[in-house]
Amino acid sequence: DILMTQSPSSLSASVGDRVTITCRASHSVSSWVAWYQQKPGKAPNLLIFQASSLQSGVPSRFSGSGSGTDFTLTISYLQPDDFATYYCQQYSYFPSTFGQGTKLEI
Amino acid sequence: EVHLVESGGGLEQPGRSLRLSCTGSEFTFGDFALSWLRQAPGKGLEYVGLIRGKGFDKTPDYAASVMGRFIISRDDSKDVAYLQMNSLRSDDTAIYFCARGRRGLLAYYFDLWGQGTLVTVSS
Repeated sequence: DILMTQSPSSLSASVGDRVTITCRASHSVSSWVAWYQQKPGKAPNLLIFQASSLQSGVPSRFSGSGSGTDFTLTISYLQPDDFATYYCQQYSYFPSTFGQGTKLEI
Repeated sequence: EVHLVESGGGLEQPGRSLRLSCTGSEFTFGDFALSWLRQAPGKGLEYVGLIRGKGFDKTPDYAASVMGRFIISRDDSKDVAYLQMNSLRSDDTAIYFCARGRRGLLAYYFDLWGQGTLVTVSS
């Protein structure tokens, strides 16, 4: 299985900050990467697909980049609603696999 | 509003069976792949399996951890997908989510999720 490694595992930031979360795949997955946000007690919510395509309804302060093995999720101006856990996912190979998550805290 | 709703979770003993349901609303259910994913308490997301839509012959696939124990099926006339879980083990304890799949190269990403249903396997 493709291993997806996120860093950092946790991150402290403030409202208005710009933050970047990285995800590294153990093998090239081209651009077949998605990013999700999950809040406590809730289902994940799709933010980005195909590495850099913004899902409909997601604020433009979220952006994704990368290809091959290295990917990033950037939040350009943190809002109070953005404090959550973020997951990357590769869907190039079966089975689809997720990173271990990055908890973004105030 | 487009959504998915899971049901059927609960407490079950090791070795027993449980069936989860996932009902879709306000979209053409049969056109889409439906996946099951799970999240053990305090842990990350794990893919369980998926059943493809009618355009891909409704074929299922499964993660190795559940292969031979879990079965995914669907009834598009009712807009429902099912996860039949047999030979339950304590490490199957998790919140189970169903999600609508969008095809990538060989696998899928998930653009619509249900709220999840908790399955606890314990004697």
